[in-house]
Amino acid sequence: AAGVIQSPRHLIKEKRETATLKCYPIPRHDTVYWYQQGPGQDPQFLISFYEKMQSDKGSIPDRFSAQQFSDYHSELNMSSLELGDSALYFCASSAQGGGTNEKLFFGSGTQLSVL
Amino acid sequence: KQEVTQIPAALSVPEGENLVLNCSFTDSAIYNLQWFRQDPGKGLTSLLLIQSSQREQTSGRLNASLDKSSGRSTLYIAASQPGDSATYLCAGYSSASKIIFGSGTRLSIRP
Repeated sequence: AAGVIQSPRHLIKEKRETATLKCYPIPRHDTVYWYQQGPGQDPQFLISFYEKMQSDKGSIPDRFSAQQFSDYHSELNMSSLELGDSALYFCASSAQGGGTNEKLFFGSGTQLSVL
Repeated sequence: KQEVTQIPAALSVPEGENLVLNCSFTDSAIYNLQWFRQDPGKGLTSLLLIQSSQREQTSGRLNASLDKSSGRSTLYIAASQPGDSATYLCAGYSSASKIIFGSGTRLSIRP
């Protein structure tokens, strides 16, 4: 069965550079979520989209932006990267707007290292 | 604010033992609870999802229970194997758009 696809798997950037992470949800899933997991930390919610509109916002820095496209894939854009942005970034998807009976399916993550 | 706590933070047991991982949450408004497995540097693998109308779910050697009134969930692993070594995370669905993760239990199964 198709799963949530994230690219790239690994990304190395220097401070003040920009990065773009991509997420392709499970087919027919209309909701995408982004999470950030720092070293030794639990995943923290960043932002979510439902039907190409932002549906909720968590602890996402102003330097980050995200959007969901017409094919439901999503991109997380990160600018002015800082050392503290080094983390594993997860994308998850669900169906039907993530209603009470819908499970989140997670991708394998993108490991971002900022040097 | 929803908080999810997992105890113990780390656990090491010999192969073959049955074990229980605990998860507690502060907000009884939680409606689903999901258990994940995470290997070092890897993604999250969903193990079991307990919906609000359910009390437990079983998959193979795994059994998860949910008691919303006490704010607790447990993950029971039977006949543990070295391949079960990983970090186990519980996550509570406190709204339709995000879930809150616990800090995880690092499990090590000794051969």
